[in-house]
Amino acid sequence: ETGVTQTPRHLVMGMTNKKSLKCEQHLGHNAMYWYKQSAKKPLELMFVYNFKEQTENNSVPSRFSPECPNSSHLFLHLHTLQPEDSALYLCASSQVLWGELFFGEGSRLTVL
Amino acid sequence: AQSVSQHNHHVILSEAASLELGCNYSYGGTVNLFWYVQYPGQHLQLLLKYFSGDPLVKGIKGFEAEFIKSKFSFNLRKPSVQWSDTAEYFCAVRGYSTLTFGKGTMLLVSP
Repeated sequence: ETGVTQTPRHLVMGMTNKKSLKCEQHLGHNAMYWYKQSAKKPLELMFVYNFKEQTENNSVPSRFSPECPNSSHLFLHLHTLQPEDSALYLCASSQVLWGELFFGEGSRLTVL
Repeated sequence: AQSVSQHNHHVILSEAASLELGCNYSYGGTVNLFWYVQYPGQHLQLLLKYFSGDPLVKGIKGFEAEFIKSKFSFNLRKPSVQWSDTAEYFCAVRGYSTLTFGKGTMLLVSP
């Protein structure tokens, strides 16, 4: 148990679907992150939020839309994805921005 | 831009063998350095970190890493590995802003 919970753990979607990934942290942290983990590639930073404000958008395509309603919750809304978007999406949180990151177990996304 | 290079993608060792995983980074300023581990089917978790002070850092489960500034390196070591150390190991560096990860090294320890 990491204190960072991601749902769903697995998601299969078609290219025209709309779905969302959810992340919740129970650690009282102020910063939250989305990373993409693909095989044989480094973890790719997608978005960063600090005190609910987005501080980083790492040139992510607009078919990925983040939402951070409060410091404990982070969403990643998915729309008209491509097969190459299939990957493990990791959420993380930290007490302070870029402090020690605590990761969730990830949401495995498959786009057909 | 900062970058992280992990020298080996796969490492296979027998139990009790010594381990050293290489990590080099490119960034000329002050850095924070991390090693994360991902056991099969589990989340990424912090193994150890360096922010400042003693360049030899000790982490959990008998791991240690040494920051050598002149070589831009932060190699991970363990004197004697166990089967339970089978996992993927990620080096990460934070320079001026974000945390950048290496591609990871998959360690397989055979009993």
